[in-house]
Amino acid sequence: GAVVSQHPSWVICKSGTSVKIECRSLDFQATTMFWYRQFPKQSLMLMATSNEGSKATYEQGVEKDKFLINHASLTLSTLTVTSAHPEDSSFYICSAAAGGASTEAFFGQGTRLTVV
Amino acid sequence: RKEVEQDPGPFNVPEGATVAFNCTYSNSASQSFFWYRQDCRKEPKLLMSVYSSGNEDGRFTAQLNRASQYISLLIRDSKLSDSATYLCVVKDTGGFKTIFGAGTRLFVKA
Repeated sequence: GAVVSQHPSWVICKSGTSVKIECRSLDFQATTMFWYRQFPKQSLMLMATSNEGSKATYEQGVEKDKFLINHASLTLSTLTVTSAHPEDSSFYICSAAAGGASTEAFFGQGTRLTVV
Repeated sequence: RKEVEQDPGPFNVPEGATVAFNCTYSNSASQSFFWYRQDCRKEPKLLMSVYSSGNEDGRFTAQLNRASQYISLLIRDSKLSDSATYLCVVKDTGGFKTIFGAGTRLFVKA
């Protein structure tokens, strides 16, 4: 299957700092990338959908100024958690799709963020 | 009402048992359906796509009922290694929005 690489796999940061998470599709062009957040024992919650070259579409309740998403190329999307707080600690996962309703979404390995 | 709803878990079954998971979706225009498996602290991985005609892959059978907006996954002869969370996934008509169910946790015991 296709490969999506997410980096870093884990990060610990201090409150008030910003953290950038990268998501790369290694062997295909991802027209659309999705960012999810998952709290312990809960399901993945879609945060935003981004299409290459355009602004991300955020889900209701997700602050776009806090979670900055950039999808500058067909193989790279980044999520920046700005001014992180302990409540932002979570598992963040990206997925990438080449497009089309029947195509499978491939996931990155996830990033475990801990804000102290 | 949630867009995708799954059976609440956890399911605790002995090895060799048959277990079935159900999932309903609210958007009748949804186009594609999948079952994913997620192990603890790992990313979800595709288990199988779900087709209107139903599909089977070894011990796993998935079915779709568009009229009832209902998806199912049947696991026969459960193995210890089947213990995981199973996520029902629905894609919208444009194929751009992927919605996950809350997941059903399965524990298979020896």
